[in-house]
Amino acid sequence: KAGVTQTPRYLIKTRGQQVTLSCSPISGHRSVSWYQQTPGQGLQFLFEYFSETQRNKGNFPGRFSGRQFSNSRSEMNVSTLELGDSALYLCASRPGGSTNEKLFFGSGTQLSVL
Amino acid sequence: QQPVQSPQAVILREGEDAVINCSSSKALYSVHWYRQKHGEAPVFLMILLKGGEQKGHEKISASFNEKKQQSSLYLTASQLSYSGTYFCGTEGNNAGNMLTFGGGTRLMVKP
Repeated sequence: KAGVTQTPRYLIKTRGQQVTLSCSPISGHRSVSWYQQTPGQGLQFLFEYFSETQRNKGNFPGRFSGRQFSNSRSEMNVSTLELGDSALYLCASRPGGSTNEKLFFGSGTQLSVL
Repeated sequence: QQPVQSPQAVILREGEDAVINCSSSKALYSVHWYRQKHGEAPVFLMILLKGGEQKGHEKISASFNEKKQQSSLYLTASQLSYSGTYFCGTEGNNAGNMLTFGGGTRLMVKP
């Protein structure tokens, strides 16, 4: 079974641009969560999607948005990029999104904003 | 609200033991533990559910004290392969399955 796939692996953008990151979960997994990882801040929760609906949202500005498609693939969009958005963005999937299910993480997309 | 992990970093010699703590200011329903090696994705270690149970995985075990809203990860007779950053993730009773992670504990095991 293929793992969680995130594309692209690396991305360089300039301030003010927008970016779209993609995440393909493990086949059969319906829950996809997104996290921002920066040195010293750990993993900051962005949002979680389950069956195409946003189920939870973290404390990020409205510039951060996401969606999930009927095949469970998810995209995350960041508009009007700021220098502080430079980070590793991780997505994680799990079958039904319940609390006793472990998260399977992708390798992440490293975003650099210049 | 993020759980708080301590210590932030620890250096061990092979064979030594370590304890990593995870505290939350809210009532918890579950605690997850993950390990991330440099440049890799976080990998699942274990889940502890409300009930104060202790779980084990070879020489790595964890406890969950529901009343104190704390969990501890115990690494016994550490090996070089234990090096990495350990994250605890917590879900509160009313969080609706949202898993919030702590800032991480960097563990380095030296020969």
